[in-house]
Amino acid sequence: EVQLLESGGGLVQPGGSLRLSCAASGFTFSSYTMGWVRQAPGKGLEWVSVITGSGGSSYYADYVKGRFTISRDNSKNTLYLQMNSLRVEDTALYYCAKDTPQGGSSDYWGQGTLVTVSS
Amino acid sequence: DIQMTQSPSSLSASVGDRVTITCRASQGISNWLAWYQKKPETAPKFLIYAASSLQSGVPSRFSGSGSGTDFTLTISCLQPEDFATYYCQQYNSYPRTFGGGTKVEIK
Repeated sequence: EVQLLESGGGLVQPGGSLRLSCAASGFTFSSYTMGWVRQAPGKGLEWVSVITGSGGSSYYADYVKGRFTISRDNSKNTLYLQMNSLRVEDTALYYCAKDTPQGGSSDYWGQGTLVTVSS
Repeated sequence: DIQMTQSPSSLSASVGDRVTITCRASQGISNWLAWYQKKPETAPKFLIYAASSLQSGVPSRFSGSGSGTDFTLTISCLQPEDFATYYCQQYNSYPRTFGGGTKVEIK
């Protein structure tokens, strides 16, 4: 059974940093592109970033580019999102998601970890 | 970036109704489109990929169609568990982008 468990969320001041983790199990982690999607309170889903199975390529939404870094440790079956220079508008529930075998869409999602940016 | 526009933003329907949601891309995306269902306090659920391919385990009352710039998600006979918000997402190019969502409410 595929399981994705996010952690690392919390309350941080504007300009601060936070690192999210997503522990994966139930599939061959290194074979799949993985990513992050967020949902701000009362808002819609917003795509954040993905990284290929080997970790060789990563992609970002414009609103996080230069501030967030996605990475993975295939030996630990874990996906990360390093978030720097956090802004109030980054406040959201952050979901970890696994790509389908065909790629592009996400067939499994974690339950999310809440990031609150506030002074 | 490719913009995805859903309509309507919300709708009211009754159990048993046929419901259609539209998603329009700002440029052609072939059939690189997915649909998700989102309920409060739960993770998104994957419904459809490649515009019209039903994910395993998803009820057959859900269907998708379209290609290029115009797409639809249809629920043929609305069930109580289908009241939720639905999102389209393009994966033709990066950055991937979601539509704004369509909330399906009980009439």
